Amino acid sequence: EIVMTQSPATLSVSPGEGASLSCRASQSVSSDLAWYQQKPGQAPRLLIYGASTRATNIPARFSGSGSGTEFSLTIGSLQSEDFAVYYCQQYNNWPLTFGGGTKVEIK
Amino acid sequence: QVQLVQSGAEVKKPGASVKVSCKASGYTFSRNGINWVRQAPGQGLEWMGWITAYNGDTKYAQKFQGRVTMTTDASTGTAYMELRSLRSDDTAVYFCVRDAISVPGIWWFDPWGQGTLVTVSS
Repeated sequence: EIVMTQSPATLSVSPGEGASLSCRASQSVSSDLAWYQQKPGQAPRLLIYGASTRATNIPARFSGSGSGTEFSLTIGSLQSEDFAVYYCQQYNNWPLTFGGGTKVEIK
Repeated sequence: QVQLVQSGAEVKKPGASVKVSCKASGYTFSRNGINWVRQAPGQGLEWMGWITAYNGDTKYAQKFQGRVTMTTDASTGTAYMELRSLRSDDTAVYFCVRDAISVPGIWWFDPWGQGTLVTVSS
């Protein structure tokens, strides 16, 4: 099983600042990496797939990068609606696995 | 638009079974796989398994092998997830979520159902 590790667990950021979230895979997943955003009481929402491709209607301030085992999600100039939990997920091989999540909170 | 609508909340006793439904609309049901993901209170996301309505093939996470059954009904465009021998640590929100791509393979997820809370308590 491919283990996905996200860091940090919590990120405190002031509105308008940028944020960088990290996701590491225990073995190469090529670019088969997706990012999801989840707000309290809601289902997750797809942000990024293929490590760097924004999903439909996702603002340009969200960007993904990386390949192999190291990935990052960058949020430029955080808006109030961006404070949420972010999960990475690999879909390179079964079983599909998620990272533990990074909570982006208001500083 | 593509939409997945799940059945309502359930309360079950330990040892019982639960069956959650997920009705799809807005696309050809047989073309995309459906995954089930659960989230215990305050915890992260856990993939449980996958099924394709095309031929009923399934993949289950080892943790749930023998205790979970995923099925589909193509006539109604509905996917089902049954979990048996429920324990208190099965208390979670259960999500169905579609494979984003409609060709055979392993894909990212989009969109997600709204989730179904299953509470296991004596």
